[in-house]
Amino acid sequence: AQSVAQPEDQVNVAEGNPLTVKCTYSVSGNPYLFWYVQYPNRGLQFLLKYITGDNLVKGSYGFEAEFNKSQTSFHLKKPSALVSDSALYFCAVAGNTDKLIFGTGTRLQVFP
Amino acid sequence: EAGVAQSPRYKIIEKRQSVAFWCNPISGHATLYWYQQILGQGPKLLIQFQNNGVVDDSQLPKDRFSAERLKGVDSTLKIQPAKLEDSAVYLCASSSDWRRSYEQYFGPGTRLTVT
Repeated sequence: AQSVAQPEDQVNVAEGNPLTVKCTYSVSGNPYLFWYVQYPNRGLQFLLKYITGDNLVKGSYGFEAEFNKSQTSFHLKKPSALVSDSALYFCAVAGNTDKLIFGTGTRLQVFP
Repeated sequence: EAGVAQSPRYKIIEKRQSVAFWCNPISGHATLYWYQQILGQGPKLLIQFQNNGVVDDSQLPKDRFSAERLKGVDSTLKIQPAKLEDSAVYLCASSSDWRRSYEQYFGPGTRLTVT
């Protein structure tokens, strides 16, 4: 069965500092991995995806994620955090179908 | 292009009442999904349509939830009767050709509160 773990409920970072939001996954076969962001009272917005190819994936708003097959991880990163990045971040995995399995989310708080 | 539209945005009902949510996907998207997002959890797929046919409804509580997509465009999700544990945000998403784009586009959601 597919599953996603986001071990941190909340990540706090100062503006300008690098940020990392962690995600590990379990899936049969090749994983398709995704990051979505959710702002208050809004739906999920797509950030980036890993399907195949380079392990470092670049996405929207300066975010990137690194696929690590041996560690079954897909951590979200950004070199310099902005206060406006404060939101709820979800990691998701899909296997052989288009059924997305989401993690429980990590709240990112960026302090000025 | 216009995004996924959902209505209403908010709904408060008492337990045992019925409620319906509406979704209009992005034009031309054949696949439509309904997710339930309970506070503190990630979205969980309830039902998936391909055009007007059901692909996956394994997580839909069929004793009280129903959904339809009669003409392969708009969709309605209904709960009857509602329970307290149905309080959640109901998200609609759509996708064109998954094997080409690997992207699902989400609407703003409907926040349901059952009292």
